[in-house]
Amino acid sequence: DGGITQSPKYLFRKEGQNVTLSCEQNLNHDAMYWYRQDPGQGLRLIYYSQIVNDFQKGDIAEGYSVSREKKESFPLTVTSAQKNPTAFYLCASRLRQGETQYFGPGTRLLVL
Amino acid sequence: DAKTTQPTSMDCAEGRAANLPCNHSTISGNEYVYWYRQIHSQGPQYIIHGLKNNETNEMASLIITEDRKSSTLILPHATLRDTAVYYCIVIRRNQGGSEKLVFGKGMKLTVNP
Repeated sequence: DGGITQSPKYLFRKEGQNVTLSCEQNLNHDAMYWYRQDPGQGLRLIYYSQIVNDFQKGDIAEGYSVSREKKESFPLTVTSAQKNPTAFYLCASRLRQGETQYFGPGTRLLVL
Repeated sequence: DAKTTQPTSMDCAEGRAANLPCNHSTISGNEYVYWYRQIHSQGPQYIIHGLKNNETNEMASLIITEDRKSSTLILPHATLRDTAVYYCIVIRRNQGGSEKLVFGKGMKLTVNP
C-alpha cells in the first residue's frame, strides 16, 4: 500500500528532551517537507528537502533539525531549544518540482 | 502566490451537492487553483486542482470562471464523511525554491443528516 506514513501518532516530550518524529514515503517522491500546524491556524514550513543529502530551512526552522540520508525517509528532531513545541506536525512529499504535494496523517506532539 | 477568500463556514444536507466558493481575484496567469481538505486531527487530503479548464475526478468537480478570479468546488453527493475544513489555495508551479503550501483558515463544511 503506497503512501506517506508518520509515527508515532501522539508523542509526549518532557522538558529539556529531544524527540524525533518519523516520516517515510514509498512513492519514490523526490521532495519532502515538514510543516507545523497550530490550533485554528494554517501551515508553517519548518524544513524541506528536494534531494537526498540536501535540505533547506523553512520559515520556522529554529529549534528543529532534520536529515535526509535516504530518499524515502525525512525524520524531524524537535530539540530542547524549541520552547513551544506543542503542535500538530505534518510531513508531505511530492514527486517532482511543480507536482502536487501529498500529506501524511500527522503527529501530535504534547509537552509534559 | 495570490491570496484566496473563502466563507468561514457552510452547511449542507447529506446527499445534496455541496458548492464551495473561493475568490482569487489577484491570481496570475501561471497560478493553479488547488483544493485540499482536512478532517479533524488528520493530515490534509488533496482533492483536485486546475488552471483554466473545469476539472473532474472521483472526488469532486472544480469549476473555474472564465476570468479565473473565482472557482467553485462541487461535491456532487455530500456524505457525513465530507465534513471537514476545505482549503482553496493558488500555487505557482515550477517556481523553484521550496514550493511551500500556504493554507489560510479555510472553510468549515458541515454535512448534516
